[in-house]
Amino acid sequence: DGGITQSPKYLFRKEGQNVTLSCEQNLNHDAMYWYRQDPGQGLRLIYYSQIVNDFQKGDIAEGYSVSREKKESFPLTVTSAQKNPTAFYLCASTAEREGTDTQYFGPGTRLTVL
Amino acid sequence: EDKVVQSPLSLVVHEGDTVTLNCSYEVTNFRSLLWYKQEKKAPTFLFMLTSSGIEKKSGRLSSILDKKELFSILNITATQTGDSAVYLCVTTLNTGNQFYFGTGTSLTVIP
Repeated sequence: DGGITQSPKYLFRKEGQNVTLSCEQNLNHDAMYWYRQDPGQGLRLIYYSQIVNDFQKGDIAEGYSVSREKKESFPLTVTSAQKNPTAFYLCASTAEREGTDTQYFGPGTRLTVL
Repeated sequence: EDKVVQSPLSLVVHEGDTVTLNCSYEVTNFRSLLWYKQEKKAPTFLFMLTSSGIEKKSGRLSSILDKKELFSILNITATQTGDSAVYLCVTTLNTGNQFYFGTGTSLTVIP
């Protein structure tokens, strides 16, 4: 089945530790995105990538890093520099075709910093 | 600054009621507007709207876009408890590849 997978579903981290969230898609989509969602707020864009080996900062990139070495994978690292990392993280992808704006979302990772 | 505003922020209705959710936007180089439903997990796609005045329907849900007044509405008729969710409005642009999300409308349908 085609889709987007994120792992782990729940993640606990101690303050001062870096942690990497996985996002994999087998939809052959070119563009991939990372969003953060906090209670009562909409999705905020952290980073996005339109092609392999290229990515751009979103609205709240500080304290995060990404890589796009393969089309299928777009891991997000939450660094110790991120002051308030506890949140729900969503990965998404889109196809780069005319008339196809639909974003497909992964199931999300809930990160809690202890 | 591009922005998407949804109203109301939250809504509580009884089963069987009809609700209208609003989304207004101010974005440059508008391409499309999308509606998503989010139930404590990843958002699921509902509609994509690109043309003014053309209603899209899926069962009890329908949506329409007004590109002159820069807004869209999402209607849900004969609401059910399973409709309880956060409904997200998103716009896309002709330039770049970003999606602009509204804060969402939280709908609660009580029996």
